[in-house]
Amino acid sequence: QSVLTQPPSASGTPGQRVTISCSGSSSNIGSNYVYWYQQFPGTAPKLLIYTNNQRPSGVPDRFSGSKSGTSASLAISGLRSEDEADYYCAAWDDSLSGPVFGGGTKLSVL
Amino acid sequence: EVQLVESGGGSVQPGGSLRLSCGASGIILSDYYMNWVRQAPGKGLEWVGRTRNKANSYTTEYAASVKGRFTISRDDSRNSVYLQMNSLKTEDTAVYYCAREGSYGGPDFHYWGQGTLVTVSS
Repeated sequence: QSVLTQPPSASGTPGQRVTISCSGSSSNIGSNYVYWYQQFPGTAPKLLIYTNNQRPSGVPDRFSGSKSGTSASLAISGLRSEDEADYYCAAWDDSLSGPVFGGGTKLSVL
Repeated sequence: EVQLVESGGGSVQPGGSLRLSCGASGIILSDYYMNWVRQAPGKGLEWVGRTRNKANSYTTEYAASVKGRFTISRDDSRNSVYLQMNSLKTEDTAVYYCAREGSYGGPDFHYWGQGTLVTVSS
């Protein structure tokens, strides 16, 4: 049972916009930055969004993050087949004194 | 270019020990907090622990699930971080990643290693 809650799966067709939600509490998302990671099978996670809505260099602007209260969202616009991957949200948790992750969302591009 | 490379994974029986290494290039490790994150087969990511940088006395923090069994250390002269795992349990089976913490603290992990697989089984 992950501290942050994500839908296990999401899907969309090429060109579509999809969003992935991440729900937490006042001790994590409610009071700290949210991060998003993209992971392909057999590879390490890659930072996609940091401090709620910032993209590291090299990440396309099709990816965007937002946060409101104790929830956050990752939006992917202009969906492409190469976006098919697992996506994880993460945040620091003040009660647990460490980072916590969502259970991950498997994105399928139909 | 920053590169992190883990090694030391393998198979071990329950109750056994294993030491993982994470070698870094392209960065001066003593400047950074370094973390270990694991991923059980087919499961999500779980933070294991971290070691702070030299300026913060290399202090360590651990997840409750591994506290008292795992120890993180570092050798800045070798630009390496280690994860000593004792009293291993079957539920410790996972790919273990080292990750460099960024300016905003955990989980601001801009750089990850490729991971090393630890299998705990009788």
